[in-house]
Amino acid sequence: EIVMTQSPATLSVSPGERATLSCRASQSVNSNLAWYQQKPGQPPRLLIYGASTRATGIPARFSGTGSGTEFTLTISSLQSEDFAVYYCQQYNNWPPMYTFGQGTKLEIK
Amino acid sequence: EVQLVESGGGLVKPGGSLRLSCAASGFTFNTYSMNWVRQPPGKGLEWVSSISSSSTYIYFADSVKGRFTISRDNAKNSLHLQMNSLRAEDTAVYYCAREYSSSSGKAFDIWGQGTMVTVSS
Repeated sequence: EIVMTQSPATLSVSPGERATLSCRASQSVNSNLAWYQQKPGQPPRLLIYGASTRATGIPARFSGTGSGTEFTLTISSLQSEDFAVYYCQQYNNWPPMYTFGQGTKLEIK
Repeated sequence: EVQLVESGGGLVKPGGSLRLSCAASGFTFNTYSMNWVRQPPGKGLEWVSSISSSSTYIYFADSVKGRFTISRDNAKNSLHLQMNSLRAEDTAVYYCAREYSSSSGKAFDIWGQGTMVTVSS
């Protein structure tokens, strides 16, 4: 089973600054990696898939990089609405399954 | 509007059963694989199960294998999760999610608001 590890658990950043969130896979997942944002009381929202492709309607300040086992989500200039919990997710082609990281809470500094 | 609406959650005793449903609208339901994802209170996300567009392929997380079944009715644009032998650790918000697939990758692009399942005596 592939384990996804996100770091840090909590990240404190000031509005307008850059945030960098990391996700590591226990074995290569190629580019089969997605990022989600979740706010309290809401379902997750897809941000990035295929490691670097922004989903429909996602602002350009969100970018994803990486392949294999190391991935990064960067938010270039934090807006107030960006403070939330972020999850990475990998998918296996065989056996088909999805695994989420434990999440990074992005909070206002 | 593309929408998923879950129902069927509630309080159930350990060992009991519950059937969740997800009503889809605003898109061609029978062309998408669908999934269930759960989230225990205050914790992270866990993928539970997936079903392909024509129900040919069905998969489960090890934590629910043998206890949960997934099904869909494409004529009624609905997805279901039958949960048997429920345990306290199954307590969570259960989301249904649409699986988007392209040459760039796969992900869950549409989510419902979730339905709460509480397993407690």
